[in-house]
Amino acid sequence: TQLLEQSPQFLSIQEGENLTVYCNSSSVFSSLQWYRQEPGEGPVLLVTVVTGGEVKKLKRLTFQFGDARKDSSLHITAAQPGDTGLYLCAGLEGLGSNYKLTFGKGTLLTVNP
Amino acid sequence: GAVVSQHPSRVICKSGTSVKIECRSLDFQATTMFWYRQFPKKSLMLMATSNEGSKATYEQGVEKDKFLINHASLTLSTLTVTSAHPEDSSFYICSAALAGARVGQYFGPGTRLTVT
Repeated sequence: TQLLEQSPQFLSIQEGENLTVYCNSSSVFSSLQWYRQEPGEGPVLLVTVVTGGEVKKLKRLTFQFGDARKDSSLHITAAQPGDTGLYLCAGLEGLGSNYKLTFGKGTLLTVNP
Repeated sequence: GAVVSQHPSRVICKSGTSVKIECRSLDFQATTMFWYRQFPKKSLMLMATSNEGSKATYEQGVEKDKFLINHASLTLSTLTVTSAHPEDSSFYICSAALAGARVGQYFGPGTRLTVT
């Protein structure tokens, strides 16, 4: 099983600030996903990045996949209290129908009003 | 979008008893379902991969005799925690993959298990 290192583990910021969360691995993933999870609920998929160097935007969220497909970042612009939650990156590994997601340890983001 | 449900959402049981958790894909067929365990403010840990009609594949360190997984149909997988102990208390989450899709994995809302 490949490992994903996510940083920072905890982040507390004020409303309106920008932030970046990093997800790094020494191994290559065929694709990488970012999820957001609220307490007591399951993770909700935000984005899937597949191509090295790919950049995807989702409103105030910008996702990047590294050229070598080993790392990714999530940048949030002008954070709002509603962005509070646990952000998880997950790498897809495996072949054909035998695949699984490996999750990073998560970044717990708190946006204070 | 694809919806996955879990039942029950919360369960409290006594030590030594068994608890069954259901995971259902409501509007799509899932050839593969995954079971995860999550501790408070921590990430998801994959326990096992469940394929319809075959035995589940367990991750290293997960006791297959303690965590029984059955995937009897394309829309239902069950996880039974046998002879539960307080250390089994956790948040259990399932996900379901669309048949033939490698990135189409949808998560259930989770089940909070408390063993007293």
